[in-house]
Order: sequence, then C-alpha cells, then structure tokens
Amino acid sequence: TQLLEQSPQFLSIQEGENLTVYCNSSSVFSSLQWYRQEPGEGPVLLVTVVTGGEVKKLKRLTFQFGDARKDSSLHITAAQPGDTGLYLCAGGADSSYKLIFGSGTRLLVRP
Amino acid sequence: DTAVSQTPKYLVTQMGNDKSIKCEQNLGHDTMYWYKQDSKKFLKIMFSYNNKELIINETVPNRFSPKSPDKAHLNLHINSLELGDSAVYFCASSQGFSGRAEDTQYFGPGTRLTVL
Repeated sequence: TQLLEQSPQFLSIQEGENLTVYCNSSSVFSSLQWYRQEPGEGPVLLVTVVTGGEVKKLKRLTFQFGDARKDSSLHITAAQPGDTGLYLCAGGADSSYKLIFGSGTRLLVRP
Repeated sequence: DTAVSQTPKYLVTQMGNDKSIKCEQNLGHDTMYWYKQDSKKFLKIMFSYNNKELIINETVPNRFSPKSPDKAHLNLHINSLELGDSAVYFCASSQGFSGRAEDTQYFGPGTRLTVL
C-alpha cells in the first residue's frame, strides 16, 4: 500500500517567517502534486513535479521533488496570512489509476 | 464559470435516510471522481469513472452507489445513511486517469454531509 506522510501536521508561525513542509513515502511516484485547501473549499492545485531533483518556484513557494521520487518538500519564504490553509501532497504512479493523498499540513500564519 | 460544481453544499439528514449528491464539470474532461474527506482532513478516493465507465471502486460500503449519466456528470447516491458517513465529499475531474502530471485533477467545492 502506498502511503504519503506529511510533516508537520500543524504549523503556527508569525508573518514573515520561513517554513518547510515535508511529504515522504517509501514508494516511488511518477508525479507529485501539491494542493492548498482553504476552509469550505476544495483542494486547488499549486504545482506538479515529475522529475527526480526537480525544483519549481511559485512566487514565495519553492517545491522540490526528491532525487529518488519518493519525497517532496514545500518551502515558503516570508509567510503571509494569505498562505494560511491546508497543504496536501498527492502522488501519482504509472501503475495506478489514482492519486494517493498525504495526511495534510495545517498552516496558520499569524499577522 | 465554475469548472466543477456540486450540489448541495450542505446536507443534514437523519440516520437511515437515502440521499444523493450531484456533480457536474464543464471542463470537457473524460474522468470524474468522488473523494471522502474525514474530520482529520484525510482525503481518500472512493470511485472514479472514465467515459461513464467505472475504473476505480475502492473499499466502500455497498450503500454508496455512483451513477454517471454522461461524461460531464457523476452523482453519488447513499442508502441507509449512518453516523460514520458524516464527512465532506468532493467531486473532481481530470482528462485522463493516469495519475501523471497531464491528468491533473480539479476539485469541486465539496458537500458537507452531517448524519444525525
């Protein structure tokens, strides 16, 4: 069974601080996606990474796919209250028709 | 225009009742999904349809029955509702079902089901 563990589960930081969220698995994925979900809404895709070692930047967010394609990280620089939400990683595999979602990280950025 | 829409947004009902949730997508996608998100925010796939055919059917009680009248619609009917069915149910769609980058899933706003 493929599992994706995210850490930390909860993170409460002050505006302006930096943070990193991790997504780890013992399985190899062909792609890894990061979503952000706000209260009362569905998850919204932020980025997809497909190549081992790939780094993608989205303004203050930096996403990295591990060399072995088993893990990923999301780094936020100078966090803002608008970054508050639930961050979900999801892995896709060529051998499967479904996305495996991580356990989620709840981020609260205090003004 | 809303890409993936669900109705109703909220559903409160008594144990034992039968209810349906509807989903529509206007993205022209071939694949649609139902997910359940529990109170701990864990998102788990329930069903997936591609071109109206069932391709994923996870370990879900028989009380849950999806129906896809056409590619743009995937409804979820639940019989004999139980307390444990309380959750947020999300519909999603994608072009294909490979799990690869080109088959990005787009989610609806969710239906919060509360069973009393």
